[in-house]
Amino acid sequence: QVQLQESGPGLVKPSGTLSLTCAVSGGSMSPCFWSWIRQPPGKGLEWIGYIHYSGSTDYNPSLKSRLTMSIDTSKNQFSLNLSSVTAADTAIYYCARHSLRGGEFDYWGQGTLVTVSS
Amino acid sequence: DIVMTQSPDSLTVSPGERATINCKSSQSVIYRSNKKNYLAWYQQKPGQPPKLLIYWASTRESGVPDRFSGSGSGTDFTLTISDLQAEDVAVYYCQQYYNTPRTFGQGTKVEIK
Repeated sequence: QVQLQESGPGLVKPSGTLSLTCAVSGGSMSPCFWSWIRQPPGKGLEWIGYIHYSGSTDYNPSLKSRLTMSIDTSKNQFSLNLSSVTAADTAIYYCARHSLRGGEFDYWGQGTLVTVSS
Repeated sequence: DIVMTQSPDSLTVSPGERATINCKSSQSVIYRSNKKNYLAWYQQKPGQPPKLLIYWASTRESGVPDRFSGSGSGTDFTLTISDLQAEDVAVYYCQQYYNTPRTFGQGTKVEIK
């Protein structure tokens, strides 16, 4: 059973960089795509972007200028960096796996709340 | 971007009754090559991550009760929960995975009467 676990600081200062890591266990990262998705408190879901096990990426255009994703298959983890954060970036951040069937999100982490505040 | 619009925003259903949620995409999510609808449904209970219920618009994920069913094609889709149970209280989201950016509907909150 694949499991995903997000980790990282729960509080980031405005204009700082939000950095999160997702650890994958119970399965190989190959040949999958891996996404980050966020959810502001009490609101809906927003796709942030994905990274393939090969390292190729695709980002949401709304965040692209501030976003970097990376992957370390030797450690079975992938990461998110979002720069120049504001209060609007406060959200629960989820990592998720794309299914091998077609790309729907079949496994999700429990999510981690990141608050942007001074 | 493909805009996903769900209706209604919320609904209240008696136990054992049927709940119907609609989802409309701003463009077709059918791939010509395989004729599949790249549309998924998720259930999110309070304090939990979303859970995949339906993929390819109508295929239930393993372990999902058969009272959950998906239908539709092209741009119009429906999630039906027949025989609503107390544990089905949640917010339900549709999502297209036809292209990027991946987009979700705004969510439909299902409550029990």
